[in-house]
Amino acid sequence: DSGVTQTPKHLITATGQRVTLRCSPRSGDLSVYWYQQSLDQGLQFLIQYYNGEERAKGNILERFSAQQFPDLHSELNLSSLELGDSALYFCASSVDLRMNTEAFFGQGTRLTVV
Amino acid sequence: GENVEQHPSTLSVQEGDSAVIKCTYSDSASNYFPWYKQELGKGPQLIIDIRSNVGEKKDQRIAVTLNKTAKHFSLHITETQPEDSAVYFCAASRGGTYKYIFGTGTRLKVLA
Repeated sequence: DSGVTQTPKHLITATGQRVTLRCSPRSGDLSVYWYQQSLDQGLQFLIQYYNGEERAKGNILERFSAQQFPDLHSELNLSSLELGDSALYFCASSVDLRMNTEAFFGQGTRLTVV
Repeated sequence: GENVEQHPSTLSVQEGDSAVIKCTYSDSASNYFPWYKQELGKGPQLIIDIRSNVGEKKDQRIAVTLNKTAKHFSLHITETQPEDSAVYFCAASRGGTYKYIFGTGTRLKVLA
């Protein structure tokens, strides 16, 4: 158990809908990262938050957004969903601001858009 | 741009044999190289990492080597066991950035 908790584990929704994925980092970790894993794309970095502030953006679509709350949990919001958004979404956390320290991944949320 | 190439994409070995997975990175400023193991239905789990000031690191049956000149690093698993079967990802990052660049993964199958 990595200590990073993601909910829900599975999500099935229709095209055009909006969903929210939740992540609770390990105790003491201030950095939260979101990654998308699809079959043909590997693990793609989406966005990072540190202590409530957005610090870096990767290949995140404009339809997607995230935030980190004062209790350090984070939510990833995906809207106007398309079939191609079906993927595993992982959250990772680390103590440090920069990802040059160990990062621990959650179990992921499997999103299926039908 | 930043890129990490990983080979092979699949690897089958007999139980007890060794397995080697290789990665090559493009960003010469990369200085941290973790390896993750992902079992079916689970998130990636950190198994070993190495920093650029070290050439080799071992942890029981697992070792990682780094060649900065050639910009490649490798994962070595000795005395493989069926429970080593999983997808392995290498990654690279450098100071001042906020993300790992992941390789495309290697599916390791250990045959009993």
